[in-house]
Amino acid sequence: AQTVTQSQPEMSVQEAETVTLSCTYDTSESDYYLFWYKQPPSRQMILVIRQEAYKQQNATENRFSVNFQKAAKSFSLKISDSQLGDAAMYFCAYYGSNYKLTFGKGTLLTVNP
Amino acid sequence: ETGVTQTPRHLVMGMTNKKSLKCEQHLGHNAMYWYKQSAKKPLELMFVYSLEERVENNSVPSRFSPECPNSSHLFLHLHTLQPEDSALYLCASSSGSSDYEQYFGPGTRLTVT
Repeated sequence: AQTVTQSQPEMSVQEAETVTLSCTYDTSESDYYLFWYKQPPSRQMILVIRQEAYKQQNATENRFSVNFQKAAKSFSLKISDSQLGDAAMYFCAYYGSNYKLTFGKGTLLTVNP
Repeated sequence: ETGVTQTPRHLVMGMTNKKSLKCEQHLGHNAMYWYKQSAKKPLELMFVYSLEERVENNSVPSRFSPECPNSSHLFLHLHTLQPEDSALYLCASSSGSSDYEQYFGPGTRLTVT
C-alpha cells in the first residue's frame, strides 16, 4: 500500500519570503499522480498543484512550484513571496492504480506579517 | 451555489441521536466521496459512489450509512455514534471514480457527546 509522509507538522514563514514543505511517499508503481492541497481555516480543501509522475519537468502554478524527485520519492512544495492568505494546512496526496487519493497528515503553515 | 456544498457546517449530537449529513455538487460530476478528517491523522476515505452505485466501503462501521439518490446528492446517515466519531466529515466529487481530480466541500464539524 502507498504511504505519504509529511515530516513537518508545522512551519512558519515571514511574509514575502519563501518556504518549502516536504513530502515523501512510498510506492512500487511507476505511473501515478502527486498533489498538494491547501485547507485554509474555512476548511474548503483546494487543489494547489499537480504533478504527473511521467513528466520530468516540475509543475509550477504562479508562486507555487514543486521539486519532484522520482527516484528519491520526494515531492516538496515551494511557496515564493509568501502572503498572509497562504496560511493553511497543506496536504500532500498520492493517486495511483487503486484510484484512491492517499493523504499525508498535513503541515500547518503560519505566515507572519 | 457553485462547487460542492455541505450542510450542516456544524453538528452536535448525542450518542443515541440519529442525524444526517448532506452534500450537493453543482459540477456535473458522476462520482462522490465521503472522507473523515481527524486531528493529526491523514484523511480517511469512507465511501465512494460512482453513477449512484457504491463502489467503495472502507470497512466503515455500520453506524455510518451512506445514501446517493442521484449523481448530485450524497448523504451520510448517522446513528448510535461514539465520541471517537467526532471529526470533520468532508465530501468530494469528481467527474468519474477513476478521475484523480477531486473537488472538496467545506466539511461538517461533528461533535458526539
